[in-house]
Amino acid sequence: NAGVTQTPKFQVLKTGQSMTLQCAQDMNHEYMSWYRQDPGMGLRLIHYSVGAGITDQGEVPNGYNVSRSTTEDFPLRLLSAAPSQTSVYFCASSSLRTSGKQDTQYFGPGTRLTVL
Amino acid sequence: GNSVTQMEGPVTLSEEAFLTINCTYTATGYPSLFWYVQYPGEGLQLLLKATKADDKGSNKGFEATYRKETTSFHLEKGSVQVSDSAVYFCALSSQGDSKLTFGKGITLSVRP
Repeated sequence: NAGVTQTPKFQVLKTGQSMTLQCAQDMNHEYMSWYRQDPGMGLRLIHYSVGAGITDQGEVPNGYNVSRSTTEDFPLRLLSAAPSQTSVYFCASSSLRTSGKQDTQYFGPGTRLTVL
Repeated sequence: GNSVTQMEGPVTLSEEAFLTINCTYTATGYPSLFWYVQYPGEGLQLLLKATKADDKGSNKGFEATYRKETTSFHLEKGSVQVSDSAVYFCALSSQGDSKLTFGKGITLSVRP
């Protein structure tokens, strides 16, 4: 069981470039999410998904796109990178109880992104 | 909306000192409460959780009690170790909601 994996670990982009951060989980979790972590601001939710084909916006979705074509994968796309997107990005997954309430979230190791 | 407020940091303690990290929350209904820990260079790991009022979560010597009357979930440890140096996040998820709301996190450094 690899848990939640993220690639790449580090990335440097120039303003205007596009890229995709990869996230995969092998625990058959329904719920997956992307957070960004910035100094003094904790983690903020970007996008989330409760199952394949279903995505929704979190607290800070602007500038990011997601899709969920399979249960395992939840990529995050930056269409035109900006310096304000310099951050550490974490992917997380969890199972969902029948109540709709999530169980424990498992986090990936993170991707450190710098936009010049 | 939901919010989580953590005490300001950073916190520096000597080994074997007592630790308290304050956390209060605002949420409707009966949220679940969590403490996550992030060791240097790693992702977040669940430290402990409580899902209803008066529940006590515990793990690795850390404890936190869900206090509905004071909307708090303070983290405590009787004797910290150097290996406890990390960033600690308080978080909640609302009843029937799948999203987590995090506090800003607090950095704990433990000196030998």
